[in-house]
Amino acid sequence: DVKVTQSSRYLVKRTGEKVFLECVQDMDHENMFWYRQDPGLGLRLIYFSYDVKMKEKGDIPEGYSVSREKKERFSLILESASTNQTSMYLCASSLVKSPLHFGNGTRLTVT
Amino acid sequence: DAKTTQPTSMDCAEGRAANLPCNHSTISGNEYVYWYRQIHSQGPQYIIHGLKNNETNEMASLIITEDRKSSTLILPHATLRDTAVYYCIVRVAGTGNQFYFGTGTSLTVIP
Repeated sequence: DVKVTQSSRYLVKRTGEKVFLECVQDMDHENMFWYRQDPGLGLRLIYFSYDVKMKEKGDIPEGYSVSREKKERFSLILESASTNQTSMYLCASSLVKSPLHFGNGTRLTVT
Repeated sequence: DAKTTQPTSMDCAEGRAANLPCNHSTISGNEYVYWYRQIHSQGPQYIIHGLKNNETNEMASLIITEDRKSSTLILPHATLRDTAVYYCIVRVAGTGNQFYFGTGTSLTVIP
């Protein structure tokens, strides 16, 4: 079974802090994704990556950046956390023509 | 990617078939229909996908209309553990691999 592991289930940070959300997958998938999920808005794509060191913006990239230095790891970075970035963050991975496999999410609270 | 329309919520009696509809009237010829579900506090889980033929696996069946403008996910014998939010997504396989999620259908299985 594919395993997508997000480093924290719950995280509390202060406004202005730099925040790193880490995601690791163990199935050699080319593609990795970061979504955020908010009530009434569904899942919205922030960034995705189709190869090491490659990244593409999704629908809502503002205030975020990503890093993919190794194939198995995809990091989401909040350069200066703000309260409107309080959300559930979901990482996913997939092969090129295959369904997404999700982690269990990180619930981030910015105070 | 084509947009999808799903009912906000549905109920189903335990042991009965749950039929979840999805409209995707702007789907193009090379777009697949995917279904995911999300149980509270977990990441979305892949269920099934198809292009134009009906599909069945151990979890569910997918019925796609001949004009491909709508589809129905069928859970043949719903259990309480099937209570979840169900997402219908259409996307082109093998491109930039964006999966765009809407707000889904909240299915409640009633004892």
